[in-house]
Amino acid sequence: QVQLQESGPGLVRPSETLSLTCVVSGGSINSHYWNWIRQPPGKGLEWVGYIHYSGSTNYNPSLESRVTISIDTSKNQFSLGLTSVTAADTAIYYCARDDVGSGLDSWGQGTLVTVSS
Amino acid sequence: QSVLTQPPSASGTPGQRVTISCSGSSSNIGTNSVYWYQQLPGTAPKLLIYSNNQRPSGVPDRFSGSVSGTSASLAISGLRSEDEADYYCAAWDDRLRFGGGTKLTVL
Repeated sequence: QVQLQESGPGLVRPSETLSLTCVVSGGSINSHYWNWIRQPPGKGLEWVGYIHYSGSTNYNPSLESRVTISIDTSKNQFSLGLTSVTAADTAIYYCARDDVGSGLDSWGQGTLVTVSS
Repeated sequence: QSVLTQPPSASGTPGQRVTISCSGSSSNIGTNSVYWYQQLPGTAPKLLIYSNNQRPSGVPDRFSGSVSGTSASLAISGLRSEDEADYYCAAWDDRLRFGGGTKLTVL
């Protein structure tokens, strides 16, 4: 049973860069697509983007200019970077595995990131 | 305003059958698979339905999905108190789209 765990700062200053890491355990990162999804408090889900283990990426066009997702197969983890953050980026950030064609079948517990000075 | 439109709320009594709709377009639901996710309060979403109507292992057969044209539906039969949650549909077009979510209340 694969497990995912997000980690990173819970508070980020406006205009700075949000950085999160998702560690994958119980399975190899050398398959599937690895996603970031976010959820503002009390609101719905928004897909941020994914990375394939080969390194190819796909980002939400509304965030593409500010997002970078990278992968470190040696550490079985992948990361999210979001630049120039504002209060609108305050959200619970989830990492999730996409079993191609079978949906986001494994999720981390989520981590709340607040953007505030 | 989400590209995939869901009713904000739904309700039913224990044992009832309820359905949640998800309206999209030819570029998402009309072309690609629909997924449904259940989010219990304070927890991460959980995959309920994939490929329009397939259940992952461990999901009770009380949950079923269907698609017709550019609309999808999630049906829950034999409603139970533990089904009280937020439900999200999802489909790909130029990005993975989520519906706005439906809060299901078990009366």
